[in-house]
Amino acid sequence: QSVLTQPPSVSGAPGQRVTISCTGSSSNIGAGYGVHWYQHLPGTAPKYLIYVDTNRPSGVPDRFSGSKSGTSASLAITGLQAEDEADYYCQSYDNSLSAVVFGGGTKLTVL
Amino acid sequence: QVQLQESGPGLVKPSETLSLTCSVSGDSITSYFWSWIRQPPGKGLEWIGHMYYSGSTSYNPSLKSRVTTSINTSKNQVSLNLTSVTDADTAIYYCARVNMGYPNWFDPWGQGTLVTVSS
Repeated sequence: QSVLTQPPSVSGAPGQRVTISCTGSSSNIGAGYGVHWYQHLPGTAPKYLIYVDTNRPSGVPDRFSGSKSGTSASLAITGLQAEDEADYYCQSYDNSLSAVVFGGGTKLTVL
Repeated sequence: QVQLQESGPGLVKPSETLSLTCSVSGDSITSYFWSWIRQPPGKGLEWIGHMYYSGSTSYNPSLKSRVTTSINTSKNQVSLNLTSVTDADTAIYYCARVNMGYPNWFDPWGQGTLVTVSS
C-alpha cells in the first residue's frame, strides 16, 4: 500500500485530455510539501515532468501540467499522443514517516 | 549531460548482502546529494535513502537498520549495501541525483538494475 494513492490506470484517445490524481493526507501533501511527477517507460530511466506542484522543467511539453489542492494533486495531459503511453508516479514527503514517498503509479494507455 | 549507470550482481542469496554501485559521469559526485530508489516487480517506487560525499545520510526508516551507503570521490561512484536480504528485496534498483526542494526531487535517474533474491 503506497502512502500516496493513484488510480492504477487511465486511458484516452489521441488528442483528448486525461488527468491522474494523487491523494495523500495531512502528513504529506496536506502538510504543505510539494508534489513532483515522473514519467516512466519500463526498461528506461524515469524522467521528471513536474516539480513542486506546477513547475515544468525545460524540454517538457506544455501539454503536461500539475495542480495541487488540500491533500491531493493532479497531473493533466492534454492533446494526448501515442508517445505519452507510460507509467506516471507522484512523489512527496511524509513527516510522520520521515521519508520520501511515492504513489503506486498510474498506467496511461492511449487508445 | 549527467549520466548514471547502476551495476552489481543480478542474483543474491537470501540472508546475504546486496551490493550495488552507481557510476556518475558528466558531473562531480561532490556537487550533489545522491539517492537510491527501488521498484519491486509489479509495485510502485520506494525511496531507500540519500547521501552526500561529506558523509551526511538520510535513510528510509523502514530500511535504515539494513542500509549503508558510501561515496568514492576518486571514481565518481556511489554505493549501496543492503544486508540480510529476503525475497521482498527483489527489485529494480535505481540511483538518481537529488535536486534540493520542498521536498527534494530526483533527476536524472539511471536505467536501473534488476536484483533477484533467490537461493
